[in-house]
Amino acid sequence: GENVEQHPSTLSVQEGDSAVIKCTYSDSASNYFPWYKQELGKGPQLIIDIRSNVGEKKDQRIAVTLNKTAKHFSLHITETQPEDSAVYFCAAPKIAGSARQLTFGSGTQLTVLP
Amino acid sequence: DVKVTQSSRYLVKRTGEKVFLECVQDMDHENMFWYRQDPGLGLRLIYFSYDVKMKEKGDIPEGYSVSREKKERFSLILESASTNQTSMYLCASSKSWGTQYFGPGTRLTVL
Repeated sequence: GENVEQHPSTLSVQEGDSAVIKCTYSDSASNYFPWYKQELGKGPQLIIDIRSNVGEKKDQRIAVTLNKTAKHFSLHITETQPEDSAVYFCAAPKIAGSARQLTFGSGTQLTVLP
Repeated sequence: DVKVTQSSRYLVKRTGEKVFLECVQDMDHENMFWYRQDPGLGLRLIYFSYDVKMKEKGDIPEGYSVSREKKERFSLILESASTNQTSMYLCASSKSWGTQYFGPGTRLTVL
């Protein structure tokens, strides 16, 4: 099965700065990489995902990049705002080729300081 | 909007008690999941169900069982609760492939 490692475990940035969270995966056949955001008191929610046929995907202030050769993918948040403070999880298919089950990273607590 | 609801936000039980955690989704999703969330360990899959009465063990099934008698409902059962099962429990659902929709979680404390 897939193994996903996520770094850093905590990240503090000043409001307006950028934040980057990185994940590595073990199975080179994996083809789907979602990112989830968990706000305090809520369950995780999908914010962006990328499939292995593209190298980058953007949605307003968030973007995800994928390096298949190095087997890592990253979440980039620009112009951070206080509402970006949350726990972020990366994930990859538990079994390559099927996104029915996911293996999640250990999470990153992002704090945006005013 | 997809809605996944969990029966309790907070639950306190005693060691040895039988505990039921209920999850209901309203979007006719085939797949339902139970995860456990602990600091520094991320989300770990306990059990997965891909159809009524069908289930698969996840990464940490020991001490847990599940029941899915109806498509919209997935129950997690702790047959004899222990203190090391104190945790946040998250239920999720999805269509055949892709996005998982999570409930708000149940924080279980076993004394």
